[in-house]
Amino acid sequence: QQQVKQSPQSLIVQKGGISIINCAYENTAFDYFPWYQQFPGKGPALLIAIRPDVSEKKEGRFTISFNKSAKQFSLHIMDSQPGDSATYFCAASMFVGDMRFGAGTRLTVKP
Amino acid sequence: KAGVTQTPRYLIKTRGQQVTLSCSPISGHRSVSWYQQTPGQGLQFLFEYFSETQRNKGNFPGRFSGRQFSNSRSEMNVSTLELGDSALYLCASRSTGTEAFFGQGTRLTVV
Repeated sequence: QQQVKQSPQSLIVQKGGISIINCAYENTAFDYFPWYQQFPGKGPALLIAIRPDVSEKKEGRFTISFNKSAKQFSLHIMDSQPGDSATYFCAASMFVGDMRFGAGTRLTVKP
Repeated sequence: KAGVTQTPRYLIKTRGQQVTLSCSPISGHRSVSWYQQTPGQGLQFLFEYFSETQRNKGNFPGRFSGRQFSNSRSEMNVSTLELGDSALYLCASRSTGTEAFFGQGTRLTVV
């Protein structure tokens, strides 16, 4: 029951480049869309989140773009750094405690 | 402020046994959600507890159960373990807002 589809599975970016990860959802009842970052051996950590009434949200180098009509949202990491190398998950929920996650994107930023 | 604490960090069990995992949420947080993370299925929602009541449940068999105590600590139980239950089990705690904080997880290996 994959309700959130995430791509690409893996991504390699040069230091200073832009990393872009895309997600698409099916259920129009979803009203909260977070992105999580996970390092090996750690639990996911919230990066940034958006509600469907906003088309874009920026926090530092991280930006979410949201397209409600297309049921798609994406994470942009500007000026990518080697320390950003991690697995990124998008998620969607209509009940806050119940998040449906994408399959994850393993990002590698090469120095 | 202490983060979400999950114990134990690692566990090895035999098929057919049962296991109990524990999660202590951030002080003041009343919601605890549980997730299973595997390489094949990704992050999947198990259930959420709020004020000792199960508020939402994912699509897992009845062998997976949980409870929450009056101090908001939560336990998850898996009975009659199967090899496929080997996974990282994560819990996330939340206050009244939307931001969920994950613990480091319990790595369960079923042999």
